[in-house]
Amino acid sequence: DTAVSQTPKYLVTQMGNDKSIKCEQNLGHDTMYWYKQDSKKFLKIMFSYNNKELIINETVPNRFSPKSPDKAHLNLHINSLELGDSAVYFCASRAKNEKLFFGSGTQLSVL
Amino acid sequence: AQSVTQLGSHVSVSEGALVLLRCNYSSSVPPYLFWYVQYPNQGLQLLLKYTSAATLVKGINGFEAEFKKSETSFHLTKPSAHMSDAAEYFCAVSDSGGSNYKLTFGKGTLLTVNP
Repeated sequence: DTAVSQTPKYLVTQMGNDKSIKCEQNLGHDTMYWYKQDSKKFLKIMFSYNNKELIINETVPNRFSPKSPDKAHLNLHINSLELGDSAVYFCASRAKNEKLFFGSGTQLSVL
Repeated sequence: AQSVTQLGSHVSVSEGALVLLRCNYSSSVPPYLFWYVQYPNQGLQLLLKYTSAATLVKGINGFEAEFKKSETSFHLTKPSAHMSDAAEYFCAVSDSGGSNYKLTFGKGTLLTVNP
């Protein structure tokens, strides 16, 4: 059973389209995150949610809108996709001992 | 704000040789420090963490790291490299727990292991 699962694993789309990435964790954690990993492997936090509430928004363009219907899910919707949005997006959830559990990533390619 | 600097974007060692991956941190409060490993096409996995207990921390797969406050360092070592250790390694820092908790990652060090 996968602890943090993301779908889809690969996403190829045209500029200007709107797309969503889904994330679910079955660990019972309260806090979830979205991280973006660029082509140079640099990982940058985008959002953090705690029990369905937005806690951290790291100056991400408002084309990116996270949604947390419940504490086990944190989805990422992206409007008007741009070339620069191409990256690997990782969802993670946090245990009480500070450990982060990561999903396997969604590779987004904007053409 | 906290940050980490990983010295060397690429480290290459021979199988059986010592692995040393360097990390220096900056934090205005006592930090929590982590090393994560990323295998190709996978998410990150925790190797080990320091949260103000023992300064020498042992992790999985034979890795360990030593917290040195005077040097603001948290270098990762392994006495003998194995081919399966080839991966990207990330050092990370956080300030504390709480709902504002976030990990700030370094830029990563790619470890290659030569036969």
